[in-house]
Amino acid sequence: DQQVKQNSPSLSVQEGRISILNCDYTNSMFDYFLWYKKYPAEGPTFLISISSIKDKNEDGRFTVFLNKSAKHLSLHIVPSQPGDSAVYFCAPFSSGSARQLTFGSGTQLTVLP
Amino acid sequence: DSGVTQTPKHLITATGQRVTLRCSPRSGDLSVYWYQQSLDQGLQFLIQYYNGEERAKGNILERFSAQQFPDLHSELNLSSLELGDSALYFCASSVGNQVLDGGELFFGEGSRLTVL
Repeated sequence: DQQVKQNSPSLSVQEGRISILNCDYTNSMFDYFLWYKKYPAEGPTFLISISSIKDKNEDGRFTVFLNKSAKHLSLHIVPSQPGDSAVYFCAPFSSGSARQLTFGSGTQLTVLP
Repeated sequence: DSGVTQTPKHLITATGQRVTLRCSPRSGDLSVYWYQQSLDQGLQFLIQYYNGEERAKGNILERFSAQQFPDLHSELNLSSLELGDSALYFCASSVGNQVLDGGELFFGEGSRLTVL
């Protein structure tokens, strides 16, 4: 039972262009949505989050959009930089049982110089 | 550097064996979480400890066990190892008892276990 799906295992984008990473979920109890970034040989690091009371949250070059009715969120990176090349995981959780994150399988983003 | 330390970084062992993975959380963090990442999969939550007590359990096999010691470091014990247990095992820590809306768990670099 995959509660969180990142259907694109990989994405390649030219430097300076927009990167859009998508995530779909099925559990309607999720009310916080996190994105983590992971470089090779490192642990995941927190990137940005959004709560279900919002539909957009922006932090510098990173913006997360949430469409609750579609149970879909996306991470936009503009402009993309080669240093953004990493695996991106979406990780929602329910504040009612906020003891674990449910991670998607990740999307490998490659930003080409 | 997240401040979370995991040892060993790499471990190769045989089926049927037992191994122990160790995690030292960030200074001041009371919660420790263990996650397993198998090939091409997301991180699967195994178990959480808070201040020495088990607080949440995920898809952790009965062959696996964990504990958190008074100095707050944690160990994940994997026994009767099978080929399918080969994975990256991540430890993460947080200050509180639960994931807050800041969402920040601090992850270690992981321990890569290979079972032959």
